Order: sequence, then C-alpha cells, then structure tokens
Amino acid sequence: EAQVTQNPRYLITVTGKKLTVTCSQNMNHEYMSWYRQDPGLGLRQIYYSMNVEVTDKGDVPEGYKVSRKEKRNFPLILESPSPNQTSLYFCASTSHGGSNQPQHFGDGTRLSIL
Amino acid sequence: GQQVMQIPQYQHVQEGEDFTTYCNSSTTLSNIQWYKQRPGGHPVFLIQLVKSGEVKKQKRLTFQFGEAKKNSSLHITATQTTDVGTYFCAGPNSGGYQKVTFGTGTKLQVIP
Repeated sequence: EAQVTQNPRYLITVTGKKLTVTCSQNMNHEYMSWYRQDPGLGLRQIYYSMNVEVTDKGDVPEGYKVSRKEKRNFPLILESPSPNQTSLYFCASTSHGGSNQPQHFGDGTRLSIL
Repeated sequence: GQQVMQIPQYQHVQEGEDFTTYCNSSTTLSNIQWYKQRPGGHPVFLIQLVKSGEVKKQKRLTFQFGEAKKNSSLHITATQTTDVGTYFCAGPNSGGYQKVTFGTGTKLQVIP
C-alpha cells in the first residue's frame, strides 16, 4: 500500500531536549516536504527536498533541520525545541515538483513542548 | 510575502444546504490544488486546476479557477455529513515553484 509513515504520532517533551520526527515513503517519490499546522494559519511549509541531498527552506524554517540521505526518508530535527514549536506536523511526498502534483500526507505528529 | 487567504474561516450549515469557500492569493498562481482534511485526519488531495477560468466538477463539488488566476472557489451542493472537515487550497509559492503555500483553510460543520 502506498503510504507516508511518520513517527511518533504523539510526543510530549521539554524545552531544549533534541528530538527527531521520522518520515518515510514507499512510492519512490522525489519530492518530500514538512508542514506545521496551527489553528487559523493553515499549513505552513517548513522545509522541502527535491531529491537526495537537495533540501531548501520553506516559509517557516527557523528552529528546524532536515536531511535527505536516502530517497525514502526525510527526518525533521528539532535541535533545541521551544514551546512555540508545539504544533501538528505533517510530512508529505509527491512524484516531482512541489505544487504540480498531488501531495500524499502522513497521518501527522502532534508535538507538545513544555 | 505571498499570502493565500480563505474565507470563511468557519461555516456551519444545515444538511442539504449549499456551501462555498473562497481562496484568494496575493499573487498570480500557475495552478491551484484543493485538499480536504477530515477531523483528526490528514489532508487528502481533491483536484488541481491549471487554466484561467477552468471549472471542474466531482459529483456535488464544483471547483473554479478565476480568470486572473489569483482566486479560486469550491462549491458543495446539498451538503452531507460526510462533507465535514477543513478544506484547503494550495498553490506554488511566489518565492519558487518548488515551494508550496497553503491557504488558511475553511472548516465546515454540517448539522444533521
């Protein structure tokens, strides 16, 4: 089954404790992206990757890091999380081109940073 | 920077009534996509519009892309409880076509 898998689904942690949210897709997609969803603000793009070792900033990259060492994986790293990063996070992938093809989303990761 | 606003932010309708959400971009879009997110779920792709003035239908859903390619609308005829969710438009970011900007979303509640 074609899918985007995120882990963990839920995480409560404390300020400053490094965390990684993993994202994996099994569709051989070139393009992957991370979004955060906050009430009233919709989905905002954090980082995206057009292929292995090619990443770029979205609209809200501050406080986040990503890497794309393999085509299927695109982890999101919070080196020193802060409470304003409490949010619902989605990973998405598409065959190529961020806005020209349908994006397939993971089930989401709800992060709470105390 | 580019902004994509949707109105209304919330809409409650009686089952059977029609519903429309509007998407307005501060810049011209080469294409626009629509997604639906059920409560507790993730966004799911509905449709993509590319041409100026384009109209597409999916059963009770009608999607339009404005002539100036800066706005779009989604109209649902005779809403059902299965239509409940948040509807988002999305388009290429003016900062680069590989970047994506989502609208602020319209949350639809259908009262049985």
